[in-house]
Amino acid sequence: EVQLVESGGGLVQPGRSLRLSCAASGFTFDDYAMHWVRQAPGKGLEWVSGISWNSGSIGYADSVKGRFTISRDNAKNSLYLQMNSLRAEDTALYYCANRVVWGQGTLVTVSS
Amino acid sequence: QTVVTQEPSFSVSPGGTVTLTCGLSSGSVSTSYYPSWYQQTPGQAPRTLIYSTNTRSSGVPDRFSGSILGNKAALTITGAQADDESDYYCVLYMGSGMVFGGGTKLTVL
Repeated sequence: EVQLVESGGGLVQPGRSLRLSCAASGFTFDDYAMHWVRQAPGKGLEWVSGISWNSGSIGYADSVKGRFTISRDNAKNSLYLQMNSLRAEDTALYYCANRVVWGQGTLVTVSS
Repeated sequence: QTVVTQEPSFSVSPGGTVTLTCGLSSGSVSTSYYPSWYQQTPGQAPRTLIYSTNTRSSGVPDRFSGSILGNKAALTITGAQADDESDYYCVLYMGSGMVFGGGTKLTVL
């Protein structure tokens, strides 16, 4: 079964860090660029970051540039998002996705 | 800053045809933006319908189709069904990343 499973979300205080992971299965992971997309409660989708199949091309939304770092390990079929200096406005459900598959998301809540 | 535009809401009758669009606040959408379309029902993760303008994702019925209409990307649903009632998002690939539209809430009634 083609699947993406996110983990690592939780409640964190403003200014702290969190690392999200996404485990892929059922498809050839390194055939695809991968992305993190988030959705704040009651809001639309927002692209956060993307990485090419070989990590040679990486991009970030302006809202997270300099604070978030995306990476992947093709040997482990895994995608990561290191989130530093978290803010209340980073509170959202974070999805891992490629162009055809989405995970179910992991919730990040930034609050004191 | 470039804004991706979508109709906030749309309504279609069961069995009818509806075309949702995805435009740019400045300029025209072309295949070079690799427009993609996603469907999301409340409480669920998004589902990919169309990528690269008009390629249907696996398992997506052929009543969903993507195209470029004039200066916008378009998602056409023919023979609308009750379970098509969802939010629909488009995304465009820009040079520095991706930008989502605000989404269209489709009502089937």
